[in-house]
Amino acid sequence: DGGITQSPKYLFRKEGQNVTLSCEQNLNHDAMYWYRQDPGQGLRLIYYSQIVNDFQKGDIAEGYSVSREKKESFPLTVTSAQKNPTAFYLCASSPWGGERFDEQFFGPGTRLTVL
Amino acid sequence: QKEVEQDPGPLSVPEGAIVSLNCTYSNSAFQYFMWYRQYSRKGPELLMYTYSSGNKEDGRFTAQVDKSSKYISLFIRDSQPSDSATYLCAMRTGFQKLVFGTGTRLLVSP
Repeated sequence: DGGITQSPKYLFRKEGQNVTLSCEQNLNHDAMYWYRQDPGQGLRLIYYSQIVNDFQKGDIAEGYSVSREKKESFPLTVTSAQKNPTAFYLCASSPWGGERFDEQFFGPGTRLTVL
Repeated sequence: QKEVEQDPGPLSVPEGAIVSLNCTYSNSAFQYFMWYRQYSRKGPELLMYTYSSGNKEDGRFTAQVDKSSKYISLFIRDSQPSDSATYLCAMRTGFQKLVFGTGTRLLVSP
């Protein structure tokens, strides 16, 4: 089955620690995205990548970092510089180009809690 | 002012009711409009996709875009308890990133 997987489902972090959230897709999509979802705020874009070895900052990139070494994988690192990291993190992918390039498919999410 | 406004709800309706979910927006350059459904603790899934103005129907769901009023709607006919979820609108201009509404929580009681 084609889809997007995120791991872990739940993650607990102590203050001052960096953590990495995994995102893998087998949809052969070129573009991948990371969003953060907080109550009352909707989805906010952290980073996105259109092709391998290239990525751009979204609206709230401070305190986060990403890499795109493979088409299938787009891991997100939440660094200690992120002041309020407790949130639900969603990864998505989409084709790039064509009429419906932004038909984004989402993973199941990772809930990060800072203790 | 947010680019996309959406009432957070919750909107509570009895089973079988017609549901109307709405978003307003301020950027007249938005051309592509989407509705996503998100069940609790899950990722969103795309429900409807429309380009520019007009209606689009898919089963019990109808998406409507009124660009003159900067207003989009999602109608659900014969609502079911399984429709209970948060509904997110999303939109974009040209090749720019998607802008999401905050979501409306819908509760359909049996």
